[in-house]
Amino acid sequence: DGGITQSPKYLFRKEGQNVTLSCEQNLNHDAMYWYRQDPGQGLRLIYYSQIVNDFQKGDIAEGYSVSREKKESFPLTVTSAQKNPTAFYLCASSITGSTAPLSNQPQHFGDGTRLSIL
Amino acid sequence: AQKVTQAQTEISVVEKEDVTLDCVYETRDTTYYLFWYKQPPSGELVFLIRRNSFDEQNEISGRYSWNFQKSTSSFNFTITASQVVDSAVYFCALSEVESDNAGNMLTFGGGTRLMVKP
Repeated sequence: DGGITQSPKYLFRKEGQNVTLSCEQNLNHDAMYWYRQDPGQGLRLIYYSQIVNDFQKGDIAEGYSVSREKKESFPLTVTSAQKNPTAFYLCASSITGSTAPLSNQPQHFGDGTRLSIL
Repeated sequence: AQKVTQAQTEISVVEKEDVTLDCVYETRDTTYYLFWYKQPPSGELVFLIRRNSFDEQNEISGRYSWNFQKSTSSFNFTITASQVVDSAVYFCALSEVESDNAGNMLTFGGGTRLMVKP
């Protein structure tokens, strides 16, 4: 089945440690996104990528880094600079407007990764 | 700047009651898209509906219906004869077209937690 796979489902980070969250999609979507969700709040955009080897900062990029070496993969690294990393992280993908102009196709989401500090 | 407000943080109803979730948005674009997503306890976001700014027809899908009123910048969601399985967090989201440069970006509201009791 086509979809988005996030791993791991649960992740723990020690002080001063970088951790990487995996996101893989087999939907052949050009665009991928990372969101952070805090308890009782909506989703905030961390980074997004519209094409391979290109990505842009979202609203809360500080303390995070990404790469987009393959169309299918968009890993997110939570660095030690992110002082409050405990949250639920959601990855999404979509067809971009460049592929389907003015259509703004819906984003498809993975099951999420819950990150906690040890 | 764009903004989505879901004033109801939590709603509790008894099964078979009708319930309406409110969504109010702000945008300077004349072309935009509105979305509703459902987030069940498992965490993933499930796409429910997409509506563009030029289509103000109300839509019904089974027990779900949506009322888009451009004059009041609202896109409300009604569940008729609610069921326990409807219990989830529901998010309203906005995607601007003109100022987005085809990035297909979503701005989310804070979400409404719906609890349907048997």
